[in-house]
Amino acid sequence: DAGVTQSPTHLIKTRGQHVTLRCSPISGHKSVSWYQQVLGQGPQFIFQYYEKEERGRGNFPDRFSARQFPNYSSELNVNALLLGDSALYLCASSFGSGTNYGYTFGSGTRLTVV
Amino acid sequence: EDQVTQSPEALRLQEGESSSLNCSYTVSGLRGLFWYRQDPGKGPEFLFTLYSAGEEKEKERLKATLTKKESFLHITAPKPEDSATYLCAVQAVGGGSNYKLTFGKGTLLTVNP
Repeated sequence: DAGVTQSPTHLIKTRGQHVTLRCSPISGHKSVSWYQQVLGQGPQFIFQYYEKEERGRGNFPDRFSARQFPNYSSELNVNALLLGDSALYLCASSFGSGTNYGYTFGSGTRLTVV
Repeated sequence: EDQVTQSPEALRLQEGESSSLNCSYTVSGLRGLFWYRQDPGKGPEFLFTLYSAGEEKEKERLKATLTKKESFLHITAPKPEDSATYLCAVQAVGGGSNYKLTFGKGTLLTVNP
């Protein structure tokens, strides 16, 4: 079975640009979460979507938005990129929206803002 | 606010030298505590979930334990391939915390042959 797939794997953008990151969850998983991991830090929660509805949002500005599609894949959008947005963006999928099902992470998208 | 503190920040061991990593947490109510392993440039790889104090789980050379305030990841007779960053995360009960993992900064483990 395929794991969580994220695309692209690497991306370089200029300050002020917009970026879209994509995630396909494990087959049968209905929940997708997004995390930002800055070098040397643990992942920080951005969003969780379950059954196409936003269930949680972390402490990130409105420049960050996301959506989940009927096939449970998801997009993370970031507008007006700042240098500080450079990070590894991780997607995690789970069967349910809560704890008891476990969270499986993808390999991430490495975003560099120059 | 949920908080997770991991220590030490970095640990260097010789092959076969057992040790423990610590994860201290503060949450209003614990729904679950997670341990992940992360290799450079990769996403976190799930190791264990612990739900209540006194619970223990094992996998190969790794054993995770949980108390009401902290969790330990014990590594017995480590091998060089155990070198990685080990991340601890908590999920709390209630409100928006139901849907997120709060991670520590991780412990970078290096095992020398």
